[in-house]
Amino acid sequence: EAQVTQNPRYLITVTGKKLTVTCSQNMNHEYMSWYRQDPGLGLRQIYYSMNVEVTDKGDVPEGYKVSRKEKRNFPLILESPSPNQTSLYFCASSVNTGELFFGEGSRLTVL
Amino acid sequence: KQEVTQIPAALSVPEGENLVLNCSFTDSAIYNLQWFRQDPGKGLTSLLLIQSSQREQTSGRLNASLDKSSGRSTLYIAASQPGDSATYLCAVKGSNYQLIWGAGTKLIIKP
Repeated sequence: EAQVTQNPRYLITVTGKKLTVTCSQNMNHEYMSWYRQDPGLGLRQIYYSMNVEVTDKGDVPEGYKVSRKEKRNFPLILESPSPNQTSLYFCASSVNTGELFFGEGSRLTVL
Repeated sequence: KQEVTQIPAALSVPEGENLVLNCSFTDSAIYNLQWFRQDPGKGLTSLLLIQSSQREQTSGRLNASLDKSSGRSTLYIAASQPGDSATYLCAVKGSNYQLIWGAGTKLIIKP
């Protein structure tokens, strides 16, 4: 089954404790991206990648890192999480100008 | 910088009505525009993708149009049903592959 898989789905952590949210797709898509969704602010793109070893900043990259070492994986790294990074995070993938497929979302709370 | 606006922010109509949701964007240099629905607490489901070279796409009771020159897209829902109640989002992929989102239209279909 074609899918985008994010883990963990739910996470509560504390300020400063490094964490990684994984994202994996099985559709051989070149394009992968991360978004955060906040009430009143809607969806905002954090980072995106057009292919292996190619990443670009979206609207809100501060406090986040990504890497694209393999085509199927695009992890989101929070080196030192802060409470303002409490949010609902989505990963998505597509062929470069094609339909975007989303993961189920990861709800992160930083205390 | 690309800006995407969705009007109205919320809409409540009786079941059976045909309705139109609007999405406007400021920069016509786009690769594509995609419409999604999001149910409360859930992920995003792709509805229709329109490439920049296309004028419209149809899927069942849904029809999306794209007018690049005027920076507008509409999502037409025919014979609305209570199950159509959700938030509808449009997203524009620009020439730099960055994805910009509208704030969404919250649709309620009353039985």
